Amino acid sequence: QKEVEQDPGPLSVPEGAIVSLNCTYSNSAFQYFMWYRQYSRKGPELLMYTYSSGNKEDGRFTAQVDKSSKYISLFIRDSQPSDSATYLCAMSGGAQKLVFGQGTRLTINP
Amino acid sequence: DTEVTQTPKHLVMGMTNKKSLKCEQHMGHRAMYWYKQKAKKPPELMFVYSYEKLSINESVPSRFSPECPNSSLLNLHLHALQPEDSALYLCASSHSKGDLGPQHFGDGTRLSIL
Repeated sequence: QKEVEQDPGPLSVPEGAIVSLNCTYSNSAFQYFMWYRQYSRKGPELLMYTYSSGNKEDGRFTAQVDKSSKYISLFIRDSQPSDSATYLCAMSGGAQKLVFGQGTRLTINP
Repeated sequence: DTEVTQTPKHLVMGMTNKKSLKCEQHMGHRAMYWYKQKAKKPPELMFVYSYEKLSINESVPSRFSPECPNSSLLNLHLHALQPEDSALYLCASSHSKGDLGPQHFGDGTRLSIL
């Protein structure tokens, strides 16, 4: 079993829809939770960063962490074609390493 | 534009060549990283430098040789690479060894080995 599980998709939704992306994890030592967005031929761009449990909102993006369930989510409201990308969850804690999910390929259709 | 700058953006080299990848950040970060990313896969950690000292080597073959000349610069020297080393090489930085927080990535160097 991988430390971090993320459905690779692909996920295709119409413009304006609410998108929900999720990761589960098994390591209780994880304290920092991140979502990265990666466009084709670009590096991962940090979208959201949460320490421990709770919610964080930034514009159309909301990140949720539920440590009791070992489950994190990223919600995208009013999705736009420009949101089409691969979304990577990443976590760290106890060591200077990020553990990534496999990434979910998302397409927003106009 | 990212705050971590990598050069060159693309590199094609033969298996006998020697080349170097360069990374620069001006965010005052004291930890810098090299990752390798294959298509449709997440980044894989190669090396970590903390306060200009190598702190993690993920059992990377010696044909990859990292160097950290100062707190803003990170190099990756390449020699006698194999075709399977073709990938996107990403540099990242973060605040410090003790901060397990977010890493900021550059846009990478796309490397092709002939």
